[in-house]
Amino acid sequence: AQSVTQLGSHVSVSEGALVLLRCNYSSSVPPYLFWYVQYPNQGLQLLLKYTSAATLVKGINGFEAEFKKSETSFHLTKPSAHMSDAAEYFCAVSDRDQGGKLIFGQGTELSVKP
Amino acid sequence: GAVVSQHPSRVICKSGTSVKIECRSLDFQATTMFWYRQFPKQSLMLMATSNEGSKATYEQGVEKDKFLINHASLTLSTLTVTSAHPEDSSFYICSARKIGTGGTEAFFGQGTRLTVV
Repeated sequence: AQSVTQLGSHVSVSEGALVLLRCNYSSSVPPYLFWYVQYPNQGLQLLLKYTSAATLVKGINGFEAEFKKSETSFHLTKPSAHMSDAAEYFCAVSDRDQGGKLIFGQGTELSVKP
Repeated sequence: GAVVSQHPSRVICKSGTSVKIECRSLDFQATTMFWYRQFPKQSLMLMATSNEGSKATYEQGVEKDKFLINHASLTLSTLTVTSAHPEDSSFYICSARKIGTGGTEAFFGQGTRLTVV
């Protein structure tokens, strides 16, 4: 069965610093991969997704992620953190033949210090 | 766009009563919708896959008689929590897979906060 692991339940960075949120998946066949952001008591907003050949994926709000098959990773980065980036981030995976059916990681809470 | 609306956004009910949550795709058709549950400070857990015109597929450990799912049209799926108890209090989120997108993405509703007292 598919699974995804997010390393670090809580990450704290200073405003302007690099953001790196880690995600590893378990699958012998490259799946679809997603990063979502969730603000308190709200639904999920898609930041970016990997579905095809382009291994470096750019998303909204300056976020990007790189798919590395050899490392089974899909880490999320942003060069310069903003206070408004403070939220919960979820990495998710779906099999290519089960599009839309997502298995989520445990989530990483990002705090941004002024 | 691809907008999914959940209603209600918040509901408080008494123990033993039933609560219905609606998930609507407002500007697209969805043959498949998904229901997730999220406990405080935890991740989303897939409860079931809802298919238009057929029975829902439930994940292991989810009681189908307690969480009734109906997907009567291409734009509406409902989740009914029957005989609710305090342990059913949670954040419920639906998503809908847009027809014709190749199944690469599902769009999420804003969630429903259920509190059972």
